[in-house]
Amino acid sequence: DAMVIQNPRYQVTQFGKPVTLSCSQTLNHNVMYWYQQKSSQAPKLLFHYYDKDFNNEADTPDNFQSRRPNTSFCFLDIRSPGLGDAAMYLCATSRGDRGPQETQYFGPGTRLLVL
Amino acid sequence: AQTVTQSQPEMSVQEAETVTLSCTYDTSENNYYLFWYKQPPSRQMILVIRQEAYKQQNATENRFSVNFQKAAKSFSLKISDSQLGDTAMYFCALTGTASKLTFGTGTRLQVTL
Repeated sequence: DAMVIQNPRYQVTQFGKPVTLSCSQTLNHNVMYWYQQKSSQAPKLLFHYYDKDFNNEADTPDNFQSRRPNTSFCFLDIRSPGLGDAAMYLCATSRGDRGPQETQYFGPGTRLLVL
Repeated sequence: AQTVTQSQPEMSVQEAETVTLSCTYDTSENNYYLFWYKQPPSRQMILVIRQEAYKQQNATENRFSVNFQKAAKSFSLKISDSQLGDTAMYFCALTGTASKLTFGTGTRLQVTL
């Protein structure tokens, strides 16, 4: 089945130690998104790629970076995690050719714990 | 700016009963879409139903239907004949011309026997 895969499902890191979360997709979608979801809060878009074009949200901290080496993979890098970065990180994809009506397809998320 | 408000943090419904989840939103755009996404425990979020703002007819998908009140900026989700598998967090969301989803804070629905 075509899907969005996130690894690992749980990630523990130390305060200030760089960490990378990964996302892959078999849907061949043009757009890939990264959301941060804290407990009892709405998922918040951090950035997205339309193909190779990177689009950063204005309020996304500089501590968060992303890479998309090819269509299938996208990475979220947190350069110096703080305690406030502990959250569920969701990856999503969409086709990118149908405008605002498009369905986004989500991965199961990676829960990040910062010690 | 777009905002989505879900005022019910938690709800409970008995199996086979009907439940309605509330959502209000605000946007300055004329062309927008509204969504309900479902996030089951430890599983990925999936689309439940979608409504185009310029369509007056309420969207339906099997047991799921919406009550879209454009003037009131209200978009509620009705789940009929609730099943145990409907237990999940439900998010109301909105997109405009930028095609970015703005989510509400979610309603946790528990379906009980």
